[in-house]
Amino acid sequence: QLVQSGAEVKKPGESLKISCKGSGYTFTNSWIAWVRQMPGKGLEWMGIIYPDDSDTRYSPSFQGQVIISVDKSISTAYLQWSSPKASDTAMYYCARAPDDSRHFDYWGQGTLVTVSS
Amino acid sequence: QSALAQPRSVSGSPGQSVTISCTGTSSDVAPYRYVSWYQQHPDKAPKLMIYDVSKRPSGVPDRFFGSKSGNTASLTISGLQAEDEADYYCCSYAGSYTWVFGGGTKLTVL
Repeated sequence: QLVQSGAEVKKPGESLKISCKGSGYTFTNSWIAWVRQMPGKGLEWMGIIYPDDSDTRYSPSFQGQVIISVDKSISTAYLQWSSPKASDTAMYYCARAPDDSRHFDYWGQGTLVTVSS
Repeated sequence: QSALAQPRSVSGSPGQSVTISCTGTSSDVAPYRYVSWYQQHPDKAPKLMIYDVSKRPSGVPDRFFGSKSGNTASLTISGLQAEDEADYYCCSYAGSYTWVFGGGTKLTVL
């Protein structure tokens, strides 16, 4: 399963990092993706990382806006912002894509991020 | 990368069938057999319902059927049940380990 960190409330410009911990499978053998869902809106694919070698890909819409990283020693992937904006307020999900697959079979419970002054 | 095009809403009565379309481009849906569909109930995480165009994960009823023709994929739900009421999202692999989601379709069971 994937277990995400708790809700965050930040002021604009305060750095932010949320996490997604995998368990019950070989963490290094599956990709971990991040997906944004703004209030009342649809799912948006942000990017993905392969924990074994930290190979990371980003959607053009999110490239340069966030950083995806991983610490495979503790089976945890991260999504971080250096200077969040109010427009980053959203629910963020992590999801697993098993190696050699092209779909997301398990999802975290979501982390609600609120950025407000 | 633009979002895949889905109808905003569809509806059907219990027992009926509905089909949700998902239109992409020559860069995503068309060249790959990697379309997946996700069901999302309010305030819940998405759930995988169909992968690789037409495969069902264990536990998903065979009332859910996926297909693809050209740059358009479809999800058909037969024998509608009240618990099928949810938002549905298609997702396509777009090459180089990137993906794109559809805008989502709200299914109402009348």
